[in-house]
Amino acid sequence: EPEVTQTPSHQVTQMGQEVILRCVPISNHLYFYWYRQILGQKVEFLVSFYNNEISEKSEIFDDQFSVERPDGSNFTLKIRSTKLEDSAMYFCASSGAGNTEAFFGQGTRLTVV
Amino acid sequence: QKEVEQNSGPLSVPEGAIASLNCTYSDRVSQSFFWYRQYSGKSPELIMSIYSNGDKEDGRFTAQLNKASQYVSLLIRDSQPSDSATYLCAVNHRGNTPLVFGKGTRLSVIA
Repeated sequence: EPEVTQTPSHQVTQMGQEVILRCVPISNHLYFYWYRQILGQKVEFLVSFYNNEISEKSEIFDDQFSVERPDGSNFTLKIRSTKLEDSAMYFCASSGAGNTEAFFGQGTRLTVV
Repeated sequence: QKEVEQNSGPLSVPEGAIASLNCTYSDRVSQSFFWYRQYSGKSPELIMSIYSNGDKEDGRFTAQLNKASQYVSLLIRDSQPSDSATYLCAVNHRGNTPLVFGKGTRLSVIA
């Protein structure tokens, strides 16, 4: 069964460092998303991406964040200068055209120390 | 501000019983409604989607939608200990727009 895959599963980084989280969406999906979940809190939307551009972003997605689809399969989230409060699970999701069901990857646990 | 509200639980039910999970949403123009299951430390797993008023059944799961009351529910029949997880209600207002999640209801099925 097709699935969304994310790497790495766990990333520890020092405050102020840049991190790149990687995702391979389901191959025939056209809509891509990043969500995050701080421990014990709800899943929050960060950004959506369609047709090689950002379609929506939340207030969380400030200038420290960027997304890219560098090739036909990968979808990345970059955090330029990490802060302690960026520590969270980051989930990539994708959905297909004409089908609003979104499927999530297994997540990357980001720990900023 | 679009909100999705769920009782955080825990909801404890004995094995074999029906578990009933509820969700309300604030955005009246919401069109698509989803239930995800999330085990501790894992990602949300889609278990049900519903788009029109009424019931939708899939195996042991039934989703119910009442747009007039802005209410969505999930029934789990013959609950099993493996159903113990947090159940997330998620809503979007059109097409492939971002999901708004509730905080989730923790379900515990007691053997």
